[in-house]
Amino acid sequence: AQSVTQLGSHVSVSEGALVLLRCNYSSSVPPYLFWYVQYPNQGLQLLLKYTSAATLVKGINGFEAEFKKSETSFHLTKPSAHMSDAAEYFCAVSDLRGAQKLVFGQGTRLTINP
Amino acid sequence: DAMVIQNPRYQVTQFGKPVTLSCSQTLNHNVMYWYQQKSSQAPKLLFHYYDKDFNNEADTPDNFQSRRPNTSFCFLDIRSPGLGDAAMYLCATSRALAGSMDEQFFGPGTRLTVL
Repeated sequence: AQSVTQLGSHVSVSEGALVLLRCNYSSSVPPYLFWYVQYPNQGLQLLLKYTSAATLVKGINGFEAEFKKSETSFHLTKPSAHMSDAAEYFCAVSDLRGAQKLVFGQGTRLTINP
Repeated sequence: DAMVIQNPRYQVTQFGKPVTLSCSQTLNHNVMYWYQQKSSQAPKLLFHYYDKDFNNEADTPDNFQSRRPNTSFCFLDIRSPGLGDAAMYLCATSRALAGSMDEQFFGPGTRLTVL
């Protein structure tokens, strides 16, 4: 069965500092990996996705993630945090079987300090 | 813009009083999903429709039902809401094409309060 572990339920960084949100996955078949962002009282918005093409994936709002098969990781990074990045971030895994259901991690709440 | 729309955004119901949440999409996607998200938790898949085929998750309570009358609309019915059903309900869609992986597009959610 697929699963996702996000290390750190809360991450706090200063404005302008590097953002690193960690995600490790488990999958018996080649995975498809996603990062979603959720602002308060809103739905989830896709930041980026890995679908077996380039291992370094660039997304919206300056975020990127690198797929490392040897480490079963898909960590999310941003070089310089903005106040507007404060939100909940979810890593998710899926594959091509069936209706391609997403399995979400527990989420990481990112706080940006001025 | 093509999108996923959920109505209402906020719904208050009474304990045991049936409630229906609505989702519509202009993306013409063949798969529609319903998730339940409780405070500070990840979304939990309740069920999904692959075209007209209904797929229930094994741990979804019988209290939750769904209808998909056409491609564009999908409804979530909670027959007898309990206090534990208070949550954000998210609708999502995807294309789920064979051999390729499309992301899921989420609506803004409906926050359900049970009094």
